[in-house]
Amino acid sequence: DTEVTQTPKHLVMGMTNKKSLKCEQHMGHRAMYWYKQKAKKPPELMFVYSYEKLSINESVPSRFSPECPNSSLLNLHLHALQPEDSALYLCASSHPLGGNTEAFFGQGTRLTVV
Amino acid sequence: AQKVTQAQTEISVVEKEDVTLDCVYETRDTTYYLFWYKQPPSGELVFLIRRNSFDEQNEISGRYSWNFQKSTSSFNFTITASQVVDSAVYFCALSEALGDKLIFGTGTRLQVFP
Repeated sequence: DTEVTQTPKHLVMGMTNKKSLKCEQHMGHRAMYWYKQKAKKPPELMFVYSYEKLSINESVPSRFSPECPNSSLLNLHLHALQPEDSALYLCASSHPLGGNTEAFFGQGTRLTVV
Repeated sequence: AQKVTQAQTEISVVEKEDVTLDCVYETRDTTYYLFWYKQPPSGELVFLIRRNSFDEQNEISGRYSWNFQKSTSSFNFTITASQVVDSAVYFCALSEALGDKLIFGTGTRLQVFP
């Protein structure tokens, strides 16, 4: 079962709101990722968790706060976002063996900040 | 520095035509991994293939085939007898041997008309 589930699928939030994006996988993968994708652009890496520890933070603003409660779950906490943060947020997972395994992606959360 | 170039921004074909999507990459690593992903309008990135740098064997999977040539740093993707369901954005991606980051090309939007 190669499935990564993201909730919600769509989210509209105000600039003063606090919200969270959730991601879940049951493939036994120990690496999980958050990517951000603006319209007509490729995905850009935000964070990587390997064995539940943050291993890569691509200089993401602190208004984005990742959390990995266990090996199956990955959250992205959002606070005081800006309209330019509106994008598709993609979660992915893979075996943490460097680049030699493929990442499986969820359907994403389409976030609109108003 | 690593880079992936997909020079074709958009391709339009009529159903049953063959189409080739180009991908050229740059890396200084001797070991690296190449990927193709499909992104339909739903947003999910669907994994299609992974190829290791030490394996130049071409691959065919149904109507899909991939041509990996290290001499020209290319990893091209051909769809034979295209179908309307092939309409999507296709991303070529590269990752290092020891790292978790996928570097995506800018994507090629394929439109297959009936």
